[in-house]
Amino acid sequence: EVQLVESGGGLVQPGGSLRLSCAASGFTFSTYSMNWVRQAPGKGLEWVSYINSNSNSINYADSVKGRFTISRDNAKNSLYLQMNSLRDEDTAVYYCARRAGSFVPNFDYWGQGTLVTVSS
Amino acid sequence: QTVVTQEPSFSVSPGGTVTLTCGLSSGSVSTSYYPSWYQQTPGQAPRTLIYSTNTRSSGVPDRFSGSILGNKAALTITGAQADDESDYYCVLYMGSGVSVFGGGTKLTVL
Repeated sequence: EVQLVESGGGLVQPGGSLRLSCAASGFTFSTYSMNWVRQAPGKGLEWVSYINSNSNSINYADSVKGRFTISRDNAKNSLYLQMNSLRDEDTAVYYCARRAGSFVPNFDYWGQGTLVTVSS
Repeated sequence: QTVVTQEPSFSVSPGGTVTLTCGLSSGSVSTSYYPSWYQQTPGQAPRTLIYSTNTRSSGVPDRFSGSILGNKAALTITGAQADDESDYYCVLYMGSGVSVFGGGTKLTVL
């Protein structure tokens, strides 16, 4: 069974940093591209970042470019999101989502999310 | 900046049929954007319904179907049920790993 479990969320002050993790199991993590998607309270979903299976293709939404860094450790079956210079508007539930396949660029499995609150 | 448009809200009667659409602020949606659809109920993670325009995800009932209608992607629910009352999001793929979500449609079944 495919499982994605996010962790690392919490309360952080504006300007602070936080590192999210997503532990993957039930599939060969090293062969799948991954994404981070977030949802601010009461708002819609927003794609945040993408990383391919061997980390040589990475992209970010304009809203986080230059502040967030996506990475992965295939030996540990883990995906990460390093978030720096956090702003109030980064407050959201952050989901990791698997890309369905090389030629299917959609999300197929999602984690349950981890809440990040940016507030003083 | 690419804006993906969806109806903010829609209502359907139990047993009825509803079509939600997904468009682009400028231009037409085609299969090249690999439109996909996700269902989300409050407090829950999104659930994948449709990907690559019209392929149902595993376990999704066949009353959910995806298509291109005119210049938009569409999600049609045939025989709506009470537990279809959810938020529905479409996503268009822009290439290079970049995806753009629509603002979501809140579907009411009453």
